[in-house]
Amino acid sequence: ELKVEQNPLFLSMQEGKNYTIYCNYSTTSDRLYWYRQDPGKSLESLFVLLSNGAVKQEGRLMASLDTKARLSTLHITAAVHDLSATYFCAVDRKYGNKLVFGAGTILRVKS
Amino acid sequence: GAGVSQSPRYKVAKRGQDVALRCDPISGHVSLFWYQQALGQGPEFLTYFQNEAQLDKSGLPSDRFFAERPEGSVSTLKIQRTQQEDSAVYLCASSLARMNYRGGGYGYTFGSGTRLTVV
Repeated sequence: ELKVEQNPLFLSMQEGKNYTIYCNYSTTSDRLYWYRQDPGKSLESLFVLLSNGAVKQEGRLMASLDTKARLSTLHITAAVHDLSATYFCAVDRKYGNKLVFGAGTILRVKS
Repeated sequence: GAGVSQSPRYKVAKRGQDVALRCDPISGHVSLFWYQQALGQGPEFLTYFQNEAQLDKSGLPSDRFFAERPEGSVSTLKIQRTQQEDSAVYLCASSLARMNYRGGGYGYTFGSGTRLTVV
């Protein structure tokens, strides 16, 4: 059974600091997604990572994928208040495309 | 439409009542998914349609849950005899990709969800 674990589950950051959210998954998969969710809102797609070694960057966020380690990271550079949200990683099983989500990381950026 | 549309946005049901939740996917999207998101949790898969065919319903928690997509576009998730544990946000997502498509880049577009509260 595919399981996805994120850590930390809650992250309180100071503006301007850097931090990393980790996403581990338990069985072979080669597509990993990062989503952002604001309170009461739906999921906004941030990144789709398709292959080992993939790295994507958008603004202050950078995501990477290591399929051998079954690990993805979401790195936040010089955090700003607007990044406060819940971040989910999700993995596609190798065959069949229903997503299995992590529990989410609640990010709060303090001024 | 431009995005995935879900209605109603909020639904309060008395325990034992039947409810129907609607999803309008992006036009032309072959795949449609329903997910259940409990408070403070990640979404959990309920069921999957490819066009009008329900190919995977392994995530439906009980036989009180039923989903359909009769013409391959709009989908309805029905919950019979609602119980308090059914309280959650129900998310619909659609995708251009068919099941098992391994090509790159196709993601999923999620709707805003229906928040169901059973009292």
